[in-house]
Amino acid sequence: EPEVTQTPSHQVTQMGQEVILRCVPISNHLYFYWYRQILGQKVEFLVSFYNNEISEKSEIFDDQFSVERPDGSNFTLKIRSTKLEDSAMYFCASSSNPVGLALDTQYFGPGTRLTVL
Amino acid sequence: KNEVEQSPQNLTAQEGEFITINCSYSVGISALHWLQQHPGGGIVSLFMLSSGKKKHGRLIATINIQEKHSSLHITASHPRDSAVYICAVGMDSNYQLIWGAGTKLIIKP
Repeated sequence: EPEVTQTPSHQVTQMGQEVILRCVPISNHLYFYWYRQILGQKVEFLVSFYNNEISEKSEIFDDQFSVERPDGSNFTLKIRSTKLEDSAMYFCASSSNPVGLALDTQYFGPGTRLTVL
Repeated sequence: KNEVEQSPQNLTAQEGEFITINCSYSVGISALHWLQQHPGGGIVSLFMLSSGKKKHGRLIATINIQEKHSSLHITASHPRDSAVYICAVGMDSNYQLIWGAGTKLIIKP
């Protein structure tokens, strides 16, 4: 069964460093999402991406964050200068239709645990 | 004010019991999702519904659009059902999913 994969599973970085989290969505999906979950808290939407551009982003997704689909298979989340409060689990998801406009399921990757020291 | 509220926060039950988890929301939605988060963190989508009722195995999800309320039921619960169950709503107007805080379910043998 096709699945969403994410690498690395765990990333440790120093405050102020740049990190890139990678995701490979399901191959025929068109809509991609990043979420984060701070330990013990609820999952929060970061950004949705379709047709090589951001469709929607939350208040969390500020100028420190960017997303890219560099090669038609990978979907990356970059944090330019990490802060302690960026420590969280980051989940990538993909769907063949957007949630708000059509009825479809999002498929989630296993997550990348980011620890900022 | 939370846009998605779940109850209870925690639920412990004996194997075989009928389980109900509730979700209320305050925004206009196009769809409501029930998801399962395993202790290791992985998230699996269980249901997506915009009206009525859906059933998959021992899981049943219902939604009442007028009352802005949904329930997830588990029949003949089993210890492997132990997980966090999360309700998330797809907004009317955009691509976002707004997530509830989750219900931590423990089924004891």
